[in-house]
Amino acid sequence: GAVVSQHPSWVICKSGTSVKIECRSLDFQATTMFWYRQFPKQSLMLMATSNEGSKATYEQGVEKDKFLINHASLTLSTLTVTSAHPEDSSFYICSAVPGTSGTSSYNEQFFGPGTRLTVL
Amino acid sequence: DAKTTQPTSMDCAEGRAANLPCNHSTISGNEYVYWYRQIHSQGPQYIIHGLKNNETNEMASLIITEDRKSSTLILPHATLRDTAVYYCIVRVPLRFNKFYFGSGTKLNVKP
Repeated sequence: GAVVSQHPSWVICKSGTSVKIECRSLDFQATTMFWYRQFPKQSLMLMATSNEGSKATYEQGVEKDKFLINHASLTLSTLTVTSAHPEDSSFYICSAVPGTSGTSSYNEQFFGPGTRLTVL
Repeated sequence: DAKTTQPTSMDCAEGRAANLPCNHSTISGNEYVYWYRQIHSQGPQYIIHGLKNNETNEMASLIITEDRKSSTLILPHATLRDTAVYYCIVRVPLRFNKFYFGSGTKLNVKP
C-alpha cells in the first residue's frame, strides 16, 4: 500500500524558533498533499493544500506567513512553523493523494503518522 | 461537502460486531462516503468507501441506505485493537478535493 512518512515524529523547541516538518510519499508521487493540525481530544483540522510547483492554498483563518509550506518535489512537502509559540503546540499530520495528472485512480488520501510539536 | 453526524462514543464487546452509524442527510449525488479511523496519536487509516452499493473489504463492511442519507460501518468481529476514533466523511472523489473531518465516534472495544 501507499506509505507516507513524516519527520520528525516529535519535536520540542523554544518559543520564537522555527520548526520544519517533512512529509514524504515513499512509494508514489503526489502532486497534492494536505496538512492538518489536531489539538488534544479534538478532530483533525485542515490547514492547507500543498501543490507541487505552485503556492499552497490555506484554509480560512490559517496564517500563511506563520505556516510556510513548500512542495519542492513530487514526493516531498514541508511545513515550517515560524516563530513558534506555546499555542502552536499540536499534532501535525500530512496526507498525500497518489497521482500527478488532473485525475487519480485513487479515491482516498494516505496519511502520515503525524508530528507532535511542543513549544516551550 | 456535505456534513456528517456521528454519535460521540460507542462501546462494543470484544468479538462482537461493531455497528457505527453516520448521518449524511445533505449528501449530493456525486459524493462518496468514506470511513477512516484514528488510533491514539497516529495518523488516520483508510477503512472503506462507497457511493450507493454496499461495500466489503478485509477490514469492514459499509452499508448505505437506499436514499443515501445515512450509512453504517460494520466491524464484524471487533478486537481490542479496533479501539479508535472512527470518522465518516463525504466528498466528491477528485484529487484536489479536501477531506473535512467531523468529530467522529470513539469506539471502545471492551474485553
